[in-house]
Amino acid sequence: GEDVEQSLFLSVREGDSSVINCTYTDSSSTYLYWYKQEPGAGLQLLTYIFSNMDMKQDQRLTVLLNKKDKHLSLRIADTQTGDSAIYFCAEILSGGYQKVTFGIGTKLQVIP
Amino acid sequence: GAVVSQHPSRVICKSGTSVKIECRSLDFQATTMFWYRQFPKKSLMLMATSNEGSKATYEQGVEKDKFLINHASLTLSTLTVTSAHPEDSSFYICSVPDSSTDTQYFGPGTRLTVL
Repeated sequence: GEDVEQSLFLSVREGDSSVINCTYTDSSSTYLYWYKQEPGAGLQLLTYIFSNMDMKQDQRLTVLLNKKDKHLSLRIADTQTGDSAIYFCAEILSGGYQKVTFGIGTKLQVIP
Repeated sequence: GAVVSQHPSRVICKSGTSVKIECRSLDFQATTMFWYRQFPKKSLMLMATSNEGSKATYEQGVEKDKFLINHASLTLSTLTVTSAHPEDSSFYICSVPDSSTDTQYFGPGTRLTVL
């Protein structure tokens, strides 16, 4: 079955880069997503990557995918206090109509 | 602007009462919507797939008589928690898939507290 794993907590200083890691088990995943959840709010889609891509960059966000190791990472450059949130990695097997399997979420704490 | 809305955002009810949560797709029609539940310190768990005009599909372990889903129109799905108990207290989130972008848009969530 599908399983997505993430570390629970990450603390970085403001201005440094943050790297949040995620591993998944289902090799048939076609889409991998990063969501952000701020306290008390719903999930916000940050970015996603197709499984046939190795990297995707969007402003301060860089997503790296190592399909061989089933490893996904999200790098946030110049981390700001507003980036403090829980970040969820998620996989979808074949597009938006299929079940999304989420990781447990990584809590990012940005220290001023 | 928001693509998906949920109402209410927070609800507190007494044990034994029923609570209805609405999920609306604001930007496009949705024949399918998803309902998730988030447990404390845990990830989202899919509860059911809401299908417009037909019965919802429930995930294993989710009681369909407890969590009633009605997808009456292409923009509205409702989740009713019947005879709520304290263990039903949770954060309920719906999502709407968008075939044009092949992603899902999530509602802001509804925090249910059962006393």
